[in-house]
Amino acid sequence: NAGVTQTPKFQVLKTGQSMTLQCAQDMNHNSMYWYRQDPGMGLRLIYYSASEGTTDKGEVPNGYNVSRLNKREFSLRLESAAPSQTSVYFCASSEWAGEAYEQYFGPGTRLTVT
Amino acid sequence: GENVEQHPSTLSVQEGDSAVIKCTYSDSASNYFPWYKQELGKRPQLIIDIRSNVGEKKDQRIAVTLNKTAKHFSLHITETQPEDSAVYFCAAAGTGGSYIPTFGRGTSLIVHP
Repeated sequence: NAGVTQTPKFQVLKTGQSMTLQCAQDMNHNSMYWYRQDPGMGLRLIYYSASEGTTDKGEVPNGYNVSRLNKREFSLRLESAAPSQTSVYFCASSEWAGEAYEQYFGPGTRLTVT
Repeated sequence: GENVEQHPSTLSVQEGDSAVIKCTYSDSASNYFPWYKQELGKRPQLIIDIRSNVGEKKDQRIAVTLNKTAKHFSLHITETQPEDSAVYFCAAAGTGGSYIPTFGRGTSLIVHP
């Protein structure tokens, strides 16, 4: 049981390049999320998917697109990277477990845009 | 939407002391309040949570309290140890519909041996 996995772990892009961050979970969770973490800013929601086939914008969606490929996989795409997108990106999944939510995070992707 | 304020941003204590981190929230519909610990270079991990029908919850050396009237909740760590050093995040969410927690900005706790 790997939990939530993300690839790549590190990435350096030049301004204007594109890339896709991959995320997968093996816990059969319905909900999946993409967050970005910047120093002193906490975790800010980019997009989330409440179930397979649905996606919704979060607090900071500009410059990003997502795809919920199936129940397991949720990818984040940067079409034209900008230095402001330098950040650590976390994927997460969650499910109501009867008494509380279980939300699990992936190991993160550290992205630098030069 | 929900707004969560967290204080202090940095907290430095001596080993064995207690540490308290405080959060306030704005949306009275929020009724679920998880706390996450993030060690340096690691992913956030849920350490304790509290629902609005409970005023206090304990798990060994950590406890959370909730005051729904004042819209604030706190994390208490007793007998701190160096391994408690990490960034702690509070969050608030409703339990109806989609689960979308709003996070505070985090508190960096440093426990000096």
